[in-house]
Amino acid sequence: EVQLVESGGGLVQPGGSLRLSCAASGFSFSSYWMSWVRQAPGKGLEWVANIKQDGSTKNYVDSAKGRFTISRDNAKNSLYLQMNSLRVEDTAVYYCGKDLAPDSNWGALDIWGQGTMVTVSS
Amino acid sequence: DVVMTQSPLSLPVTPGEPASISCRSSQSLLHSNGYTYLNWYLQKSGQSPQLLIYLGSDRVSGVPDKFSGSGSGTDFTLKISRVEAEDVGVYYCMQAVQTPHTFGQGTKLEIK
Repeated sequence: EVQLVESGGGLVQPGGSLRLSCAASGFSFSSYWMSWVRQAPGKGLEWVANIKQDGSTKNYVDSAKGRFTISRDNAKNSLYLQMNSLRVEDTAVYYCGKDLAPDSNWGALDIWGQGTMVTVSS
Repeated sequence: DVVMTQSPLSLPVTPGEPASISCRSSQSLLHSNGYTYLNWYLQKSGQSPQLLIYLGSDRVSGVPDKFSGSGSGTDFTLKISRVEAEDVGVYYCMQAVQTPHTFGQGTKLEIK
């Protein structure tokens, strides 16, 4: 079964750090662009970052640049999001997603995880 | 950044009737490679989003053919030919012609 499972969310104080993980199974992880998308409580979807199959290209939304780092370990079939200098406005459910076709950056995320909640609060 | 604007934001529909959602982008979504980078997602209550349509008009395998995507350039439409109760949720368009990828505000479809 093709599956993505996020972990690592939790409660953190403003200025703190968290590392989210996304474990992939059931597909050739190393062949696909991967993304992180977040959703603040009661709000819409916001794309956060994506990464090329080999990790050579990484893209971020402006609010994440300099604070978040997306990475992957193809040997472990895992995607990560290191989040530093967290702000109250980073509070959201964070989803990882797989692009539809191999070697494509279409933004067409056909597989999503269940999401992991990040709460930034003092 | 490319701004995506959806309308309407709320869409009450009688079962069996058609529905249409508009999505407009602040820049053309036609890439130099000929692809149009516009995707449609549905998020049902309490669930992760699911991809319905990609590259403007290609339906994902397993998505009922009552869903169709059309449009070009900056003007796109998602149509549902006959709405059923299971279609309730929030529909989002999303552009990927440039980063950051951006979503529309979402259109909440409900049954009358």
